Amino acid sequence: AQSVAQPEDQVNVAEGNPLTVKCTYSVSGNPYLFWYVQYPNRGLQFLLKYITGDNLVKGSYGFEAEFNKSQTSFHLKKPSALVSDSALYFCAVRAQAGTALIFGKGTTLSVSS
Amino acid sequence: NAGVTQTPKFQVLKTGQSMTLQCAQDMNHNSMYWYRQDPGMGLRLIYYSASEGTTDKGEVPNGYNVSRLNKREFSLRLESAAPSQTSVYFCASSVERGNEQFFGPGTRLTVL
Repeated sequence: AQSVAQPEDQVNVAEGNPLTVKCTYSVSGNPYLFWYVQYPNRGLQFLLKYITGDNLVKGSYGFEAEFNKSQTSFHLKKPSALVSDSALYFCAVRAQAGTALIFGKGTTLSVSS
Repeated sequence: NAGVTQTPKFQVLKTGQSMTLQCAQDMNHNSMYWYRQDPGMGLRLIYYSASEGTTDKGEVPNGYNVSRLNKREFSLRLESAAPSQTSVYFCASSVERGNEQFFGPGTRLTVL
């Protein structure tokens, strides 16, 4: 069965420190991977995606994600966190062409000043 | 370019009442989706429409019906609302099924 997991319900970091939000997946075939962010009382916003090519993908707001095929992971990273990055982050995976995205349960990122 | 719009933003229903949530997109996307979001459950797919004229069940379709009215519009209907349907409902669209999705602002529904 195809699935995606976000092992941490919450991640806490201090402003200016690097942040990582973890995502692992289980699919057959080559996955398409996505990260979304949700601010309070808003819809989800697309951050970045990996389809093929360079394992390090750059996205919006200074975020990047690293695809690791051997570890089946797609962790979201940012070199220097901002308080305004505090939000709920979702990882999603598409297993095969034409199938719907499968979303993880989300990780709450809290950045303290 | 408004993206994905949803109406209403908030709604309170009594058990047994019916209502329709409206969604429209102006990005000429083929695929549209309805999700519900509950604390600790993430996003769960209710129904989706891969293209105009087609609809398919997602993970949690019971108690809901959908209509893909045209390429732009995809509505979600609750025929007889239950307290378990209290949730935040999101509509989304994508160029094709499996591409990145663009989300509306959500409808917060409470069923008493």
